[in-house]
Amino acid sequence: EIVLTQSPATLSLSPGERATLSCRASQSVSSSLAWYQQKPGQAPRLLIYDASNRATGIPARFSGSGSGTDFTLTISSLDPEDFTVYYCQQRSNWPLTFGGGTKVEIK
Amino acid sequence: QVQIQQWGARLLKPSETLSLTCAVYGGSFNGYYWSWIRQPPGKGLEWIGEINHTGSINYNPSLKSRVTISEDTSKNQFSLKLSSMTAADTAVYYCARRPRNSYFVYWDQGTLVTVSS
Repeated sequence: EIVLTQSPATLSLSPGERATLSCRASQSVSSSLAWYQQKPGQAPRLLIYDASNRATGIPARFSGSGSGTDFTLTISSLDPEDFTVYYCQQRSNWPLTFGGGTKVEIK
Repeated sequence: QVQIQQWGARLLKPSETLSLTCAVYGGSFNGYYWSWIRQPPGKGLEWIGEINHTGSINYNPSLKSRVTISEDTSKNQFSLKLSSMTAADTAVYYCARRPRNSYFVYWDQGTLVTVSS
């Protein structure tokens, strides 16, 4: 099983600041990694697929980078609606796995 | 527009079997993987397993001994059974769709399943 480790667990920032979230895989997943945003009481929403491609309708302030074992989700300027939880997920190998999540909170 | 609707028992006693079904509306059942994913209250996401329209199934090894996923393609439905439920299985259970070699775009609203004596 590929373990995805997200860091930090919590990120305290102010609106307008830049957020950098990390996801590290226990073995290479090539570019087969996605990022999701989950708001309270809602299902996750796909933000980024295949490491660096924005999903349909996702604002340009969200970007992804990385390959192999190290990946980054960047939110260039935090909007108030961006303060929530983010998960990475790999599809390189079964079982599909998710990271433990990063909570972006208002400082 | 694809919609996925889920139903099933939401309150179970320890040792009982969870049974959930999802129905797909407004889109093709064929050509996709249909997954079950769960999330304990306040915790992260755990993939349970998935099935595609040909009946090919993959399970999470951590749950494989207790899980059965099946489908009824004539009704565009897929189902989850999880046996020997314990309090540790209390979670929001989601069903979701992903294309082959892709990710989860369509999810249902999720169902909170509680295991309590």
